[in-house]
Amino acid sequence: EVQLLESGGGSVHPGGSLRLSCVASGFTFSSYAMSWVRQAPGKGLEWVSGFRDSGGTTSYADSVKGRFTISRDNSKNTLYLQMNSLRAEDTAIYYCAKVIVTGNSLFDYWGRGALVTVAS
Amino acid sequence: DIQMTQSPSTLSASVGDRVTITCRASQSISSWLAWYQQKPGKAPKLLIYKASSLESGVPSRFSGSGSGTEFTLTISSLQPDDFATYYCQQYEAYPLTFGGGTKVEIK
Repeated sequence: EVQLLESGGGSVHPGGSLRLSCVASGFTFSSYAMSWVRQAPGKGLEWVSGFRDSGGTTSYADSVKGRFTISRDNSKNTLYLQMNSLRAEDTAIYYCAKVIVTGNSLFDYWGRGALVTVAS
Repeated sequence: DIQMTQSPSTLSASVGDRVTITCRASQSISSWLAWYQQKPGKAPKLLIYKASSLESGVPSRFSGSGSGTEFTLTISSLQPDDFATYYCQQYEAYPLTFGGGTKVEIK
Protein backbone atom coordinates (compact mmCIF):
# COMPACT_ATOMS: atom_id res chain seq x y z
CA GLU A 1 0.00 0.00 0.00
CA VAL A 2 1.35 3.41 -1.02
CA GLN A 3 1.75 5.80 1.90
CA LEU A 4 3.07 9.34 2.06
CA LEU A 5 3.63 10.90 5.45
CA GLU A 6 4.51 14.57 5.79
CA SER A 7 6.13 16.14 8.82
CA GLY A 8 7.87 19.35 9.80
CA GLY A 9 4.95 21.72 9.68
CA GLY A 10 4.36 24.32 12.36
CA SER A 11 4.16 28.00 13.17
CA VAL A 12 6.87 30.43 12.16
CA HIS A 13 7.33 34.21 12.04
CA PRO A 14 7.54 36.03 8.72
CA GLY A 15 11.05 35.73 7.33
CA GLY A 16 11.61 32.42 9.10
CA SER A 17 12.38 28.97 7.73
CA LEU A 18 10.94 25.47 7.90
CA ARG A 19 11.80 22.15 6.30
CA LEU A 20 9.06 19.74 5.39
CA SER A 21 9.71 16.03 4.96
CA CYS A 22 7.63 13.37 3.25
CA VAL A 23 8.46 9.72 3.89
CA ALA A 24 7.20 7.38 1.19
CA SER A 25 6.49 3.68 1.32
CA GLY A 26 4.77 1.00 -0.74
CA PHE A 27 6.43 1.83 -4.07
CA THR A 28 9.91 2.25 -5.58
CA PHE A 29 10.42 5.86 -4.52
CA SER A 30 13.51 6.44 -6.68
CA SER A 31 11.55 5.64 -9.85
CA TYR A 32 8.91 8.33 -9.48
CA ALA A 33 8.70 12.06 -9.82
CA MET A 34 7.22 13.79 -6.76
CA SER A 35 5.74 17.19 -6.03
CA TRP A 36 4.56 19.50 -3.28
CA VAL A 37 1.08 21.03 -3.61
CA ARG A 38 -0.35 23.50 -1.11
CA GLN A 39 -3.76 24.73 -0.12
CA ALA A 40 -4.29 27.97 1.76
CA PRO A 41 -7.14 27.97 4.29
CA GLY A 42 -10.46 27.89 2.45
CA LYS A 43 -8.73 28.19 -0.95
CA GLY A 44 -7.93 25.98 -3.91
CA LEU A 45 -4.94 23.84 -4.79
CA GLU A 46 -1.63 25.39 -5.85
CA TRP A 47 1.28 23.38 -7.19
CA VAL A 48 4.46 24.57 -5.44
CA SER A 49 7.42 22.54 -6.64
CA GLY A 50 8.30 19.18 -8.08
CA PHE A 51 10.73 16.83 -9.68
CA ARG A 52 9.84 16.52 -13.35
CA ASP A 53 11.45 13.10 -13.55
CA SER A 54 13.25 10.58 -11.40
CA GLY A 55 16.56 12.01 -12.52
CA GLY A 56 16.50 15.24 -10.60
CA THR A 57 15.10 17.97 -12.86
CA THR A 58 13.18 20.39 -10.65
CA SER A 59 10.59 23.11 -11.19
CA TYR A 60 9.06 25.78 -9.00
CA ALA A 61 6.02 28.02 -9.00
CA ASP A 62 6.95 31.67 -9.48
CA SER A 63 5.47 32.43 -6.06
CA VAL A 64 8.18 30.40 -4.29
CA LYS A 65 11.10 30.51 -6.73
CA GLY A 66 14.30 31.58 -5.00
CA ARG A 67 12.84 30.93 -1.52
CA PHE A 68 11.92 27.24 -1.57
CA THR A 69 14.13 24.29 -2.48
CA ILE A 70 12.92 20.78 -3.21
CA SER A 71 15.20 17.81 -2.71
CA ARG A 72 15.02 14.07 -2.21
CA ASP A 73 17.03 11.31 -0.57
CA ASN A 74 16.24 8.09 -2.39
CA SER A 75 18.17 6.05 0.21
CA LYS A 76 15.68 7.26 2.83
CA ASN A 77 12.61 7.31 0.57
CA THR A 78 12.14 10.91 1.59
CA LEU A 79 11.13 14.10 -0.20
CA TYR A 80 11.96 17.48 1.30
CA LEU A 81 10.88 21.07 0.92
CA GLN A 82 13.17 23.70 2.43
CA MET A 83 11.19 26.91 2.86
CA ASN A 84 13.07 30.13 3.55
CA SER A 85 11.98 33.78 3.80
CA LEU A 86 8.47 32.67 4.65
CA ARG A 87 5.60 35.07 4.14
CA ALA A 88 2.05 35.21 5.50
CA GLU A 89 0.77 34.11 2.10
CA ASP A 90 2.73 30.85 2.43
CA THR A 91 0.32 29.78 5.17
CA ALA A 92 -1.25 26.56 3.90
CA ILE A 93 -1.52 22.83 4.18
CA TYR A 94 1.36 21.36 2.20
CA TYR A 95 0.72 18.03 0.51
CA CYS A 96 3.33 15.65 -0.80
CA ALA A 97 2.09 13.97 -3.98
CA LYS A 98 3.30 11.08 -6.12
CA VAL A 99 3.16 11.29 -9.89
CA ILE A 100 1.14 8.48 -11.48
CA VAL A 101 3.93 7.69 -13.91
CA THR A 102 7.03 9.74 -14.57
CA GLY A 103 6.39 11.84 -17.64
CA ASN A 104 2.74 12.42 -16.80
CA SER A 105 2.62 14.93 -13.97
CA LEU A 106 -0.68 14.17 -12.36
CA PHE A 107 -0.97 12.72 -8.91
CA ASP A 108 -2.38 9.35 -7.89
CA TYR A 109 -1.37 9.42 -4.23
CA TRP A 110 -1.30 12.27 -1.74
CA GLY A 111 -0.20 12.56 1.86
CA ARG A 112 -2.45 13.88 4.60
CA GLY A 113 -0.67 17.21 4.55
CA ALA A 114 1.42 19.34 6.89
CA LEU A 115 0.10 22.68 8.14
CA VAL A 116 2.43 25.65 7.88
CA THR A 117 1.36 28.86 9.58
CA VAL A 118 3.33 32.07 9.02
CA ALA A 119 2.27 34.80 11.41
CA SER A 120 3.78 37.39 13.68
CA ASP B 1 1.68 29.90 -17.56
CA ILE B 2 -1.46 27.99 -18.52
CA GLN B 3 -4.51 29.34 -16.68
CA MET B 4 -7.31 26.92 -15.80
CA THR B 5 -10.81 28.30 -15.28
CA GLN B 6 -13.60 26.22 -13.79
CA SER B 7 -17.30 26.93 -13.82
CA PRO B 8 -19.45 27.15 -11.92
CA SER B 9 -17.62 27.84 -8.65
CA THR B 10 -20.56 26.44 -6.70
CA LEU B 11 -23.28 24.10 -7.83
CA SER B 12 -26.40 23.09 -5.88
CA ALA B 13 -27.88 19.75 -6.85
CA SER B 14 -29.98 16.89 -5.55
CA VAL B 15 -29.26 13.19 -5.26
CA GLY B 16 -29.90 11.59 -8.63
CA ASP B 17 -29.20 14.76 -10.64
CA ARG B 18 -26.88 14.80 -13.63
CA VAL B 19 -24.09 17.27 -12.92
CA THR B 20 -21.64 18.85 -15.34
CA ILE B 21 -18.56 20.90 -14.44
CA THR B 22 -16.55 22.80 -17.05
CA CYS B 23 -12.84 23.52 -17.13
CA ARG B 24 -11.23 25.80 -19.71
CA ALA B 25 -7.53 26.16 -20.43
CA SER B 26 -5.96 29.42 -21.60
CA GLN B 27 -4.16 27.51 -24.38
CA SER B 28 -4.38 24.05 -25.85
CA ILE B 29 -3.37 21.27 -23.49
CA SER B 30 -4.33 18.44 -25.85
CA SER B 31 -5.83 15.83 -23.47
CA TRP B 32 -3.40 16.40 -20.60
CA LEU B 33 -6.07 17.07 -18.02
CA ALA B 34 -6.93 15.44 -14.71
CA TRP B 35 -9.91 15.77 -12.37
CA TYR B 36 -9.77 15.41 -8.59
CA GLN B 37 -12.36 15.22 -5.85
CA GLN B 38 -11.64 16.71 -2.43
CA LYS B 39 -13.70 16.39 0.72
CA PRO B 40 -13.25 18.67 3.75
CA GLY B 41 -10.14 17.87 5.74
CA LYS B 42 -8.95 15.30 3.22
CA ALA B 43 -6.38 15.15 0.46
CA PRO B 44 -7.55 15.27 -3.15
CA LYS B 45 -8.45 12.02 -4.86
CA LEU B 46 -7.73 11.36 -8.55
CA LEU B 47 -10.88 10.64 -10.58
CA ILE B 48 -10.02 11.12 -14.26
CA TYR B 49 -6.75 11.38 -16.21
CA LYS B 50 -5.96 12.15 -19.83
CA ALA B 51 -9.28 14.00 -19.97
CA SER B 52 -11.49 10.91 -20.18
CA SER B 53 -9.76 7.91 -18.59
CA LEU B 54 -11.33 6.70 -15.36
CA GLU B 55 -8.91 6.01 -12.53
CA SER B 56 -9.10 2.49 -11.14
CA GLY B 57 -11.75 2.12 -8.44
CA VAL B 58 -13.66 5.28 -9.38
CA PRO B 59 -17.39 4.70 -9.96
CA SER B 60 -18.53 4.67 -13.57
CA ARG B 61 -21.03 7.49 -12.92
CA PHE B 62 -18.01 9.81 -13.28
CA SER B 63 -16.90 10.62 -16.81
CA GLY B 64 -14.70 13.19 -18.48
CA SER B 65 -14.59 14.59 -21.97
CA GLY B 66 -12.95 17.27 -24.06
CA SER B 67 -9.65 18.17 -25.64
CA GLY B 68 -7.71 21.27 -26.54
CA THR B 69 -9.05 24.01 -24.29
CA GLU B 70 -12.49 22.87 -23.13
CA PHE B 71 -13.23 19.97 -20.82
CA THR B 72 -16.11 18.64 -18.78
CA LEU B 73 -16.56 16.37 -15.80
CA THR B 74 -19.97 14.73 -15.62
CA ILE B 75 -21.57 12.84 -12.76
CA SER B 76 -24.43 10.91 -14.32
CA SER B 77 -26.47 10.41 -11.14
CA LEU B 78 -25.28 12.32 -8.09
CA GLN B 79 -24.85 10.22 -4.97
CA PRO B 80 -24.59 11.40 -1.33
CA ASP B 81 -20.87 10.58 -1.32
CA ASP B 82 -20.29 12.92 -4.27
CA PHE B 83 -20.91 16.18 -2.40
CA ALA B 84 -17.40 17.61 -2.47
CA THR B 85 -15.17 20.08 -4.28
CA TYR B 86 -13.80 19.17 -7.71
CA TYR B 87 -10.61 20.47 -9.30
CA CYS B 88 -9.17 20.17 -12.78
CA GLN B 89 -5.40 20.18 -13.35
CA GLN B 90 -3.39 20.55 -16.53
CA TYR B 91 -0.18 18.60 -16.95
CA GLU B 92 0.73 19.72 -20.45
CA ALA B 93 3.41 22.08 -19.14
CA TYR B 94 5.14 23.37 -16.06
CA PRO B 95 4.20 25.11 -13.91
CA LEU B 96 1.39 22.67 -13.27
CA THR B 97 -1.85 24.53 -12.66
CA PHE B 98 -5.23 23.78 -11.11
CA GLY B 99 -8.64 25.24 -11.69
CA GLY B 100 -10.18 27.23 -8.88
CA GLY B 101 -12.53 24.42 -7.87
CA THR B 102 -16.24 23.66 -8.05
CA LYS B 103 -18.07 22.96 -4.83
CA VAL B 104 -21.03 20.61 -5.29
CA GLU B 105 -23.56 21.29 -2.55
CA ILE B 106 -26.80 19.65 -1.50
CA LYS B 107 -29.81 21.49 -2.87
